[in-house]
Amino acid sequence: SAVISQKPSRDICQRGTSLTIQCQVDSQVTMMFWYRQQPGQSLTLIATANQGSEATYESGFVIDKFPISRPNLTFSTLTVSNMSPEDSSIYLCSVTGEGYEQYFGPGTRLTVT
Amino acid sequence: QKEVEQDPGPLSVPEGAIVSLNCTYSNSAFQYFMWYRQYSRKGPELLMYTYSSGNKEDGRFTAQVDKSSKYISLFIRDSQPSDSATYLCAMGTGFQKLVFGTGTRLLVSP
Repeated sequence: SAVISQKPSRDICQRGTSLTIQCQVDSQVTMMFWYRQQPGQSLTLIATANQGSEATYESGFVIDKFPISRPNLTFSTLTVSNMSPEDSSIYLCSVTGEGYEQYFGPGTRLTVT
Repeated sequence: QKEVEQDPGPLSVPEGAIVSLNCTYSNSAFQYFMWYRQYSRKGPELLMYTYSSGNKEDGRFTAQVDKSSKYISLFIRDSQPSDSATYLCAMGTGFQKLVFGTGTRLLVSP
């Protein structure tokens, strides 16, 4: 399975600011995914990021709020823009394995004050 | 109705017990099924991955899928305190989008 790292591991941000989260994989992967896990909730897919194309967003998530970059096959970033306390969550990136299974990074714990 | 239903627990068992964790789902198009373990303040760790109906065993873990009943299970034999975590089921249709259950919190006491 791929080894995935995320930066930062946690952050506390003020309302109205933006935070960019980085996801690095130790091997080349076609598809990367970004999820949100709100306190006490399960994982919700934000968007799918393919290298060389625009990210595909799920219902309820928009590019202006969560812009994503995918400059190469091992790296992606998710920006949380114009943050509000409702954006306080754990943000996770994942990649697919040999089949349809997904492997997750350690997550970024975001608190917005 | 949620696509995937999972009892949030907590489920408390003594060390050495057999644990049964379950999920039900409504979308008959789901073809592949996963179980993840998530420790507090960590990312989900893939435990089991199965395709279609049947059983799969890996050490102390057994995953069962019953597509006719839209029901999946994870059994943990000889449970250990280190198994205390939240267990998430996940499933997909083949287009690589996963739908997750809300997770069951398991507590194994020594």
